[in-house]
Amino acid sequence: AQKITQTQPGMFVQEKEAVTLDCTYDTSDPSYGLFWYKQPSSGEMIFLIYQGSYDQQNATEGRYSLNFQKARKSANLVISASQLGDSAMYFCAMREGRAGGYNKLIFGAGTRLAVHP
Amino acid sequence: NAGVTQTPKFRILKIGQSMTLQCTQDMNHNYMYWYRQDPGMGLKLIYYSVGAGITDKGEVPNGYNVSRSTTEDFPLRLELAAPSQTSVYFCASRQITSGGAAQYFGPGTRLLVL
Repeated sequence: AQKITQTQPGMFVQEKEAVTLDCTYDTSDPSYGLFWYKQPSSGEMIFLIYQGSYDQQNATEGRYSLNFQKARKSANLVISASQLGDSAMYFCAMREGRAGGYNKLIFGAGTRLAVHP
Repeated sequence: NAGVTQTPKFRILKIGQSMTLQCTQDMNHNYMYWYRQDPGMGLKLIYYSVGAGITDKGEVPNGYNVSRSTTEDFPLRLELAAPSQTSVYFCASRQITSGGAAQYFGPGTRLLVL
């Protein structure tokens, strides 16, 4: 069965520093996708970044990058140059099966990030 | 585009009451989803739809029903509210494309069942 594990309930980082949020996954399907979402205190879910299982390079989107280590089944989110507005809950999610299917997402329990000035 | 909109934002129900959570998207997305998020947890899929007239169960469908008569709307029905249904409900939509098409979420509906 597919599973997503986020082992860090909470993280602290100083403003302008980089932070890594951990995510490990478990699946027997060779085709899958990994997503990161941000949930600020206002509650909405904001899509940040995506990595496909067959993608050769790590995904990057602005200050966000995904450190994809397929053999270790990890997909850690790296936020560079943290900003106060990055304080939020972060969820790692996995799509089971090929892209283009109905795309059920399985979510981890989340990591709460606090950025200190 | 408004994206994905949900109404109401907040509702209190008594045990045994019924209600419909509304979800509308204006992006012409084929896929739509309903999730619930319990306190301190990730999201769990309740129901999903791959197009008008087609729906299927997710991980936690008990106590809920859905319908999809149009591409835009995907309402979620609670027939007999129970305290276990106290949660935040998110609707999401996605276009059919290959690759990493993300699901786009509505702002959520906070439901309290007393």
